[in-house]
Amino acid sequence: QKEVEQDPGPLSVPEGAIVSLNCTYSNSAFQYFMWYRQYSRKGPELLMYTYSSGNKEDGRFTAQVDKSSKYISLFIRDSQPSDSATYLCVTRDGGSQGNLIFGKGTKLSVKP
Amino acid sequence: DSGVTQTPKHLITATGQRVTLRCSPRSGDLSVYWYQQSLDQGLQFLIQYYNGEERAKGNILERFSAQQFPDLHSELNLSSLELGDSALYFCASSVSGQHLTDTQYFGPGTRLTVL
Repeated sequence: QKEVEQDPGPLSVPEGAIVSLNCTYSNSAFQYFMWYRQYSRKGPELLMYTYSSGNKEDGRFTAQVDKSSKYISLFIRDSQPSDSATYLCVTRDGGSQGNLIFGKGTKLSVKP
Repeated sequence: DSGVTQTPKHLITATGQRVTLRCSPRSGDLSVYWYQQSLDQGLQFLIQYYNGEERAKGNILERFSAQQFPDLHSELNLSSLELGDSALYFCASSVSGQHLTDTQYFGPGTRLTVL
């Protein structure tokens, strides 16, 4: 079982739609969760991070972690064509002090 | 622009050859990480250096090696290349790599094609 699982999509939505991206993780010791966004032919960039359980909001983006079910979500409100990218669910291996553990990513396309 | 630079952007080589990928971290960052991104495996951590010393090792093959120099730039050496080594190789850097919340900033990647 992979440590972080994501539905690869692709997911295609019309402009203005609410997007829900989800992933699950296997190790209950993981505490720090991130969403990275990767545009085509670019490196990943940090979008949001959350600690433990709960919600975190940043503009049109909301990250949610449910530790009881090991479920992580990213919601995008009023989606824009510029949101078209691959979204990577990420956690961190605390034992190694640094390396990130990535899901395979969900490819999102927002159509004008 | 993350501030992390990688050269070259593209590399095409033959099986059995050796290549070197180069990374310059953001100014002030002491930790450098190398990741491999392939279609079937996604992004996989290879190795981390902190201030010149190896800090953590991931799924790095014995044919691959890395180092971080006194000026903090890093090189990833790939030898005896195989077709399956074709992938995007990313370098990332962070301030220290010692804290859970240290953000890793990724470079634009080097696309390696092995023919």
